[in-house]
Amino acid sequence: AQKVTQAQTEISVVEKEDVTLDCVYETRDTTYYLFWYKQPPSGELVFLIRRNSFDEQNEISGRYSWNFQKSTSSFNFTITASQVVDSAVYFCALSEVETGRRALTFGSGTRLQVQP
Amino acid sequence: DAGVIQSPRHEVTEMGQEVTLRCKPISGHDYLFWYRQTMMRGLELLIYFNNNVPIDDSGMPEDRFSAKMPNASFSTLKIQPSEPRDSAVYFCASSLVLISTDTQYFGPGTRLTVL
Repeated sequence: AQKVTQAQTEISVVEKEDVTLDCVYETRDTTYYLFWYKQPPSGELVFLIRRNSFDEQNEISGRYSWNFQKSTSSFNFTITASQVVDSAVYFCALSEVETGRRALTFGSGTRLQVQP
Repeated sequence: DAGVIQSPRHEVTEMGQEVTLRCKPISGHDYLFWYRQTMMRGLELLIYFNNNVPIDDSGMPEDRFSAKMPNASFSTLKIQPSEPRDSAVYFCASSLVLISTDTQYFGPGTRLTVL
């Protein structure tokens, strides 16, 4: 069965520090998607990135970067030079293509607090 | 373009009452999902539809929960009778599944409190 583990429950950093959020997944599918969502204090779920299992190229978007490693089943998220506005709960999620199960399996989330 | 729309945003009701949550997916999307978020269980799938047909309802807690999608632009999640343990945030999400994309976009959620 599919599973997503975010071992870090809460991380606190000071503004301008870099921070990495860990995500480890389990799946029997060879074709799957991985996602990161942000949930700010207002409560909505904001899509950040989707990664196809065939594409292990790392991605950078501004201060955000993602490191996908199939060998370790990890999809880690790094925020460079963190800002107070980055304070939120971040969720990693998985959907499986081969089984046809389109629903997302979420990790338990990591709460990031960025102190000024 | 409008995102996923959910109503109401907040609902407070008393135990035993019927509750109906509503969702309008993004136009053109062919999948619709209902998730529930609680402190104890995190984010979990309740049910999802493809082209208005329920595909997987294994996450629906019990017979008190039911969901419908009468057309491509509207879905409801009904709880009858409601219980305090149903208190949670209920999210609706939609997606368009193509060969190279499968991203779910979420509505703002409905915060349900059952007293």
